[in-house]
Amino acid sequence: KQEVTQIPAALSVPEGENLVLNCSFTDSAIYNLQWFRQDPGKGLTSLLLIQSSQREQTSGRLNASLDKSSGRSTLYIAASQPGDSATYLCAVKGGSEKLVFGKGMKLTVNP
Amino acid sequence: NAGVTQTPKFQVLKTGQSMTLQCAQDMNHNSMYWYRQDPGMGLRLIYYSASEGTTDKGEVPNGYNVSRLNKREFSLRLESAAPSQTSVYFCASSELSGLSTGELFFGEGSRLTVL
Repeated sequence: KQEVTQIPAALSVPEGENLVLNCSFTDSAIYNLQWFRQDPGKGLTSLLLIQSSQREQTSGRLNASLDKSSGRSTLYIAASQPGDSATYLCAVKGGSEKLVFGKGMKLTVNP
Repeated sequence: NAGVTQTPKFQVLKTGQSMTLQCAQDMNHNSMYWYRQDPGMGLRLIYYSASEGTTDKGEVPNGYNVSRLNKREFSLRLESAAPSQTSVYFCASSELSGLSTGELFFGEGSRLTVL
């Protein structure tokens, strides 16, 4: 059974820092991995999707990498801003319709 | 561009009452999903529909029923609500069905309290 872990559960940093968010998964037989952002009281917004054949994806200040063999993905946020404060979730899709979600990491970027 | 729309946004029920959560997407997606999100439990899949006319159970289907009314709409019904069903419910859709499911898009959520 696929399990997805995000450690730490929360992170508080000063504005301007470059951040690395971690996501690990137990079954390397995946089809894709997706990073989401969730603001309080809101739905999930897709940030980046990496197919299993890809190593990384970039969007603006965000870069996500995937290492299937080690069961790890990282989300890199460059020059963090207070507006980046949110909960970040990763989700892995394996051999069925469902995505398996991590429990998320709550990020606070302080001005 | 509305994306995925859920109604209602908030609902309070008494134990034993029934209700239906509605979801519609305007992106012509094949696959649609219902998740629940609970503190400490993360997101758990209740039911999904890979295409119009098909539905399948997810991780926590007990106490729920679904209907894929057409390609746009996917509803979730609680026949006899229980306090354990107090949660935030999210509908989602994706571009492709089958093993090559693409990017997942979520609605804003429906916050349900069962007293």
